[in-house]
Amino acid sequence: GAGVSQSPSNKVTEKGKDVELRCDPISGHTALYWYRQSLGQGLEFLIYFQGNSAPDKSGLPSDRFSAERTGESVSTLTIQRTQQEDSAVYLCASSLTPGTSGRGNIQYFGAGTRLSVL
Amino acid sequence: AQSVTQLDSQVPVFEEAPVELRCNYSSSVSVYLFWYVQYPNQGLQLLLKYLSGSTLVKGINGFEAEFNKSQTSFHLRKPSVHISDTAEYFCAASGTGNQFYFGTGTSLTVIP
Repeated sequence: GAGVSQSPSNKVTEKGKDVELRCDPISGHTALYWYRQSLGQGLEFLIYFQGNSAPDKSGLPSDRFSAERTGESVSTLTIQRTQQEDSAVYLCASSLTPGTSGRGNIQYFGAGTRLSVL
Repeated sequence: AQSVTQLDSQVPVFEEAPVELRCNYSSSVSVYLFWYVQYPNQGLQLLLKYLSGSTLVKGINGFEAEFNKSQTSFHLRKPSVHISDTAEYFCAASGTGNQFYFGTGTSLTVIP
């Protein structure tokens, strides 16, 4: 597609329920990132996918968070047993393969999913 | 370790006045630098980037930034701001790997 697409744009859920967020990267982009942005805060790195390599999960805050991506296609971020502190905007970004040219390090962002846990 | 510091969390400025948003980075390796803008309820949009070459880079909406290696800075400037420039601005840095470091953001408010 023309840009990174995220769905849903807004999600309201009850504490303890599971949620699934979706990200469609730009076609041809091998790298995909998930970030969390809490109200008035900067971006917190969650997870990084690069092609078929093992993902970098170093930013996931707890084992309630998981993400999947098949090849270079859609990714889903799942939050199990949601808590109120999970309320935030979840941003997805994609890029070409990061490397020495720099162009692969340019990230393109989706509009985000605003998650509200009641 | 690499990190990015945005020195001002909020910057109010009158319409048509110049503005500078400050950003410093720390790194001992090759670095790529970026400024992103985030309008309310939207994702981040790339404003400009420094990958190599000229240290003065121009971006969209009349913004420019200068890469200063000796001062490890990448300040964002605009000679005359508009109301529509009111937004959150993020400075970011990356090495050659996948690590991408964001500053905490600067909220620019343009006052009529």
